[in-house]
Amino acid sequence: GQNIDQPTEMTATEGAIVQINCTYQTSGFNGLFWYQQHAGEAPTFLSYNVLDGLEEKGRFSSFLSRSKGYSYLLLKELQMKDSASYLCAVMDSNYQLIWGAGTKLIIKP
Amino acid sequence: ETGVTQTPRHLVMGMTNKKSLKCEQHLGHNAMYWYKQSAKKPLELMFVYNFKEQTENNSVPSRFSPECPNSSHLFLHLHTLQPEDSALYLCASSQTGNSGANVLTFGAGSRLTVL
Repeated sequence: GQNIDQPTEMTATEGAIVQINCTYQTSGFNGLFWYQQHAGEAPTFLSYNVLDGLEEKGRFSSFLSRSKGYSYLLLKELQMKDSASYLCAVMDSNYQLIWGAGTKLIIKP
Repeated sequence: ETGVTQTPRHLVMGMTNKKSLKCEQHLGHNAMYWYKQSAKKPLELMFVYNFKEQTENNSVPSRFSPECPNSSHLFLHLHTLQPEDSALYLCASSQTGNSGANVLTFGAGSRLTVL
């Protein structure tokens, strides 16, 4: 079966750096997405990786290793507003999105 | 209004009621989706419409009935639901057919409680 694994919950300190990991086993691969979802709000698109390597967007970066079935989302200079759930999703060979259960990130002052 | 708008934001209904969820997108996208989001579970794709035609129905019980009258509007009609159907129902839209990422734009969801 197809599976996406990510930690259920993580805690980090304001101003610090946190890395949220995502591992996947899917039937084929056509890209990996990260979405951010604040409580009670819509998930919003953060990043898309289809080739190996690191993509940087301001304080957020996303890394992909297709050979290892692994990605991470790196958040730098954490702010209280970064407290949210982070959803990892992989597009398989049929262009279907396979979702992880999300990682709830708690930022403490 | 911009983006994807869902109404109502909260809905409480009995198992014998009939209600509908509404979704509207103002992005000019050609595809619309219904997802179910339950606590600590992955998003579950329910239905997909592409150019108003249903292209996915992921074994969803018949007590959920989608309707897509045009490419901007999507409904989810609910009847004789079960308590386990209580969840957040998310609508999303995207522009398919382009090369590159098929990025979904989500609405804020309709929180459904079935008593």
